Amino acid sequence: QVQLQESGPGLVKPSQTLSLTCTVSGASINSGSYDWDWIRQPAGKGLEWIGRIYNVGSTNSNPSLKSRVTISVDTSKNQFSLRLRSVTAADTAVYYCVRVQPGAFDAFDIWGQGTMVTVSS
Amino acid sequence: DIQMTQSPSSVSASVGDRVTITCRASQGFGTWLAWYQQKPGKAPKLLIYGASSLQSGVPSRFSGSGSGTDFTLTISSLQPEDFATYYCQQTNSFPITFGQGTRLEIK
Repeated sequence: QVQLQESGPGLVKPSQTLSLTCTVSGASINSGSYDWDWIRQPAGKGLEWIGRIYNVGSTNSNPSLKSRVTISVDTSKNQFSLRLRSVTAADTAVYYCVRVQPGAFDAFDIWGQGTMVTVSS
Repeated sequence: DIQMTQSPSSVSASVGDRVTITCRASQGFGTWLAWYQQKPGKAPKLLIYGASSLQSGVPSRFSGSGSGTDFTLTISSLQPEDFATYYCQQTNSFPITFGQGTRLEIK
């Protein structure tokens, strides 16, 4: 079955760039018509959508993140990645990568386990 | 942005109870609505998509309804494993947004 696994540093200094990778196993990332998203959740709070990379390679992101977001894909490694620039303490959260299921009204049918990222000096 | 408002924010119930959670959208969007269950320390799990379609593997005691701006998630007979936080999500337009969550606690 398809599984997602986030990886990356758990601690990032303020003003630096947060970089995370999501490794897809059990299927090829560019097979089918799936899109891939990033979501985050500060401790004790709700879910925030960060952005999407479409199966054709284009992207979309949350305007609330003020163009700090870059999402990319590496099909040779079956991975997609998130870069969030100029981080502050407000970016401290658990970050999830998810698969978008077009046959389910674009709901998120598969989630990674999540990775905690703390922004602190 | 479409604002999603869930009610109640928390609810206490007993095993065997019927529970309904409501989600209201700030503007209508048909049935591009999903429900998720999240347990502490775990990733959310998809329960319902398209407002009323049950995700594969999800018990039939979960059901969803609604369209436009008003949606509901119903658990017909609570089981011990259902105590968790539930989120609604609209996937109709960007940015995708979630409700603030409803915490379902044991009475």
